[in-house]
Amino acid sequence: EVQLVESGGGLVQPGRSLRLSCTASGFTFDEYGMHWVRQAPGKGLEWVSYITWNSGTLGYADSVKGRFTISRDNAKNSLYLQMNNLRADDTALYYCAKDRLGYCSSRSCYAGTGFDPWGQGTLVTVSS
Amino acid sequence: QSVQTQPPSASGTPGQRVTISCSGSSSNIGSNYVYWYQQLPGTAPKLLIYRNNQRPSGVPDRFSGSKSGTSASLAISGLRSEDEADYYCAAWDDSLSGWVFGGGTKLTVL
Repeated sequence: EVQLVESGGGLVQPGRSLRLSCTASGFTFDEYGMHWVRQAPGKGLEWVSYITWNSGTLGYADSVKGRFTISRDNAKNSLYLQMNNLRADDTALYYCAKDRLGYCSSRSCYAGTGFDPWGQGTLVTVSS
Repeated sequence: QSVQTQPPSASGTPGQRVTISCSGSSSNIGSNYVYWYQQLPGTAPKLLIYRNNQRPSGVPDRFSGSKSGTSASLAISGLRSEDEADYYCAAWDDSLSGWVFGGGTKLTVL
């Protein structure tokens, strides 16, 4: 069974940093791109970041570009999100999600994959 | 404000057919596949429809998706109480080089 378990969330002051982790099991991690998607309390879903299976391509939403960095360690079956200069509007439940298709490294593949499955999320609260 | 527009709410009675719309633009829905996600209360989202109208294994055929131009729809037939959830559309956006979601539709089964 595919499992994604996020960790690292918590309460942090504005301007500080936090590193989220997502540990994967039940599939060959190094064959799939991975995403971070967030959901502010009572709000909808917002895609945050993407990393291809081989870390060759990284993508970010404009709202986090320059502040967040996605990375992965295929040897540890782990995905990370380094979040710097956090703001109050970064407060959200952060989900990691797996590409539905393996070995995506082109626009046509990105557009044809989707997120499946998702982890249960880790809550980040940015407040003084 | 979300790039793709969905009605904030929808409702129906058990057994009815309901549809949820998703309106986008030429850079997302107009040129790429549409995906639908179901988020049951207090749980993580789940892939419901991929590539406009394909169902992952385990998703009942009561759920169907369609796309025309820059709009897409999710239809649920034979509505059941367990379908009460939030539904989100999503697509790759060529202008943003990233994924965009609709604002979500809360489905209530009366």
